[in-house]
Amino acid sequence: NAGVTQTPKFQVLKTGQSMTLQCAQDMNHNSMYWYRQDPGMGLRLIYYSASEGTTDKGEVPNGYNVSRLNKREFSLRLESAAPSQTSVYFCASSPLRDGSGELFFGEGSRLTVL
Amino acid sequence: QQQVKQSPQSLIVQKGGISIINCAYENTAFDYFPWYQQFPGKGPALLIAIRPDVSEKKEGRFTISFNKSAKQFSLHIMDSQPGDSATYFCAASSASKIIFGSGTRLSIRP
Repeated sequence: NAGVTQTPKFQVLKTGQSMTLQCAQDMNHNSMYWYRQDPGMGLRLIYYSASEGTTDKGEVPNGYNVSRLNKREFSLRLESAAPSQTSVYFCASSPLRDGSGELFFGEGSRLTVL
Repeated sequence: QQQVKQSPQSLIVQKGGISIINCAYENTAFDYFPWYQQFPGKGPALLIAIRPDVSEKKEGRFTISFNKSAKQFSLHIMDSQPGDSATYFCAASSASKIIFGSGTRLSIRP
């Protein structure tokens, strides 16, 4: 009963390096989300995908790209990492397309950019 | 510019007391208002949610009060317990987009 699985759980990057955070859900959910969590800032929406084949920008999309590979997987890519992207990243999924359903979160990926 | 404003940032309540966390929003298109609870090292989990067509929803010790005209909603935790110590987030959603408040760190003193 995995739910939402994020990899890796921890990553250290140097400024300018690229990496992809992977997210997969096994609940046949339609919508998927990427958030970043920073102290005092709460959870800020980076990108979301209401259904397979669609993606939309959230509150803080700059410096990130996403791919909804299929219904199960939604990846987040940092093309050229910056120290300001040091954060804990959460992937979430929801069964509904309209944002009115429960969000199921992964356990987070802690990223440090030096 | 924060679309959902949450206060207070931190809160200390005695065991058995009432914990109250407030949120305000600007976008009248929001049509679903959930509250999430997060323990250290874990992802947030849904606690309770409300739609704007009702003014109050209660589930056990947790109650959401909703004031549509003021564009405000709040979480009340009755008979607060040490196990309620966590970070709480309000959120608002519209057309798939779900925006969170900045969070409230709640500590319940035994």
